[in-house]
Amino acid sequence: QQQVKQSPQSLIVQKGGISIINCAYENTAFDYFPWYQQFPGKGPALLIAIRPDVSEKKEGRFTISFNKSAKQFSLHIMDSQPGDSATYFCAASIRNAGNMLTFGGGTRLMVKP
Amino acid sequence: DTAVSQTPKYLVTQMGNDKSIKCEQNLGHDTMYWYKQDSKKFLKIMFSYNNKELIINETVPNRFSPKSPDKAHLNLHINSLELGDSAVYFCASSHQGLGGYTFGSGTRLTVV
Repeated sequence: QQQVKQSPQSLIVQKGGISIINCAYENTAFDYFPWYQQFPGKGPALLIAIRPDVSEKKEGRFTISFNKSAKQFSLHIMDSQPGDSATYFCAASIRNAGNMLTFGGGTRLMVKP
Repeated sequence: DTAVSQTPKYLVTQMGNDKSIKCEQNLGHDTMYWYKQDSKKFLKIMFSYNNKELIINETVPNRFSPKSPDKAHLNLHINSLELGDSAVYFCASSHQGLGGYTFGSGTRLTVV
């Protein structure tokens, strides 16, 4: 049973374009929704995170949109750059119940120059 | 100064052996975790541990056990290694209740 579903599995975007990755969750008790970026041979690194009391959060070129009623959230990367090429993971957790992150399956993003 | 460090980075061993992976964090976090990343890049929680509580993912075989000598360390012991244990294992830490994790760089375990 996959509690966090992520799509697409892979994505190719031209430099300067917008990359969009979507996630859907099942457990309404989740109260923390981060996105992680992972480069080959490295551990995942926290990119941006949102709590369910807000609908959008922006940090630089990265924006999370959150739809509580639909149980969906997405990552938008504006002005995508070749250096953004990596695997992106959405995740969800219940912060005061062990805070164990449940990850989506990952999206391999390639930004073409 | 590495925030979450794991050793070794690579581990190749034979089936049936027992091995350990060490993890240390210098962030002052109160909770540490072990995750397994399989060949398809899927990340799965194995354990969550702070001073008060160990939470074990029920799908983890009891051949895997976490050992925490102090707040800054959470080691992973694996007994009777099997071919299916081959994966990358990540240690991570966070503050309970605050959400954000810091991950180590991973240990690639290959069982032959």
